[in-house]
Amino acid sequence: DAKTTQPPSMDCAEGRAANLPCNHSTISGNEYVYWYRQIHSQGPQYIIHGLKNNETNEMASLIITEDRKSSTLILPHATLRDTAVYYCIVPVNAGNNRKLIWGLGTSLAVNP
Amino acid sequence: GAVVSQHPSRVICKSGTSVKIECRSLDFQATTMFWYRQFPKQSLMLMATSNEGSKATYEQGVEKDKFLINHASLTLSTLTVTSAHPEDSSFYICSASRGWYQETQYFGPGTRLLVL
Repeated sequence: DAKTTQPPSMDCAEGRAANLPCNHSTISGNEYVYWYRQIHSQGPQYIIHGLKNNETNEMASLIITEDRKSSTLILPHATLRDTAVYYCIVPVNAGNNRKLIWGLGTSLAVNP
Repeated sequence: GAVVSQHPSRVICKSGTSVKIECRSLDFQATTMFWYRQFPKQSLMLMATSNEGSKATYEQGVEKDKFLINHASLTLSTLTVTSAHPEDSSFYICSASRGWYQETQYFGPGTRLLVL
C-alpha cells in the first residue's frame, strides 16, 4: 500500500496559484491518487483524482509525473476560502472496498 | 450531485446515554458507507466500513458493541454510540461511495458529540 508524503504547511497569496506537492514513490500501476481538503470544523471535500494523466476540473488541476512517484495539486487562483488542510491519499485495499488512510496533510493558508 | 448529509450536526448528552447519528446520501445510491472519528488537531480515523445489507467491518481497536452501525438501505446509514462516556466526545464524520470498489468517497458535514 502506497504511502504519501506532504509538506506540513504552505502559504499562498490570494489570487495566486497554489501548488501543493505530494510524494507517493511506492504507488503501484493501478492505484489512483486522490486529493481531498478539510476546512476547519467541516467534513472533508473531494477535489480530484487521477491515475497517470493530468486531470482538471472546476476546482483544481492535478499534475502527475510520468513515473507516477509524485503529483502536484494546483489551485489556479487561490481565494481566502481555499484555506484548509489538503490531503493527498492513495486508497488501500480492504477486502471488497478501498479505504482512505489520512495523514496530516498540508495546511494551506491563503493570505490577503 | 454526490451530496451527503448528517443529522444531528451537534449533540450534547449525559454520560451513560446512547446517541444515534444518521448519514444520508441525498442524490445517489451509496453501496458503501464509512464512519470516521476525528479528535481535535488530529486527522480522520476510520472506524468502520459498511456495505448495504451486510454487517459492518470495524477497524482494529473499535468496539463493535459500543459503536453500532446499521446500513439497511442504499441511502441511509446510522451510527449509535451506546453508553457514551466523555472520552467518546469527538467529531464523527460519515462518507459514502457509489459502489463496490468505487473509491471516491463523498463526505457529510460531520456531527460534533459532547458527552458530559
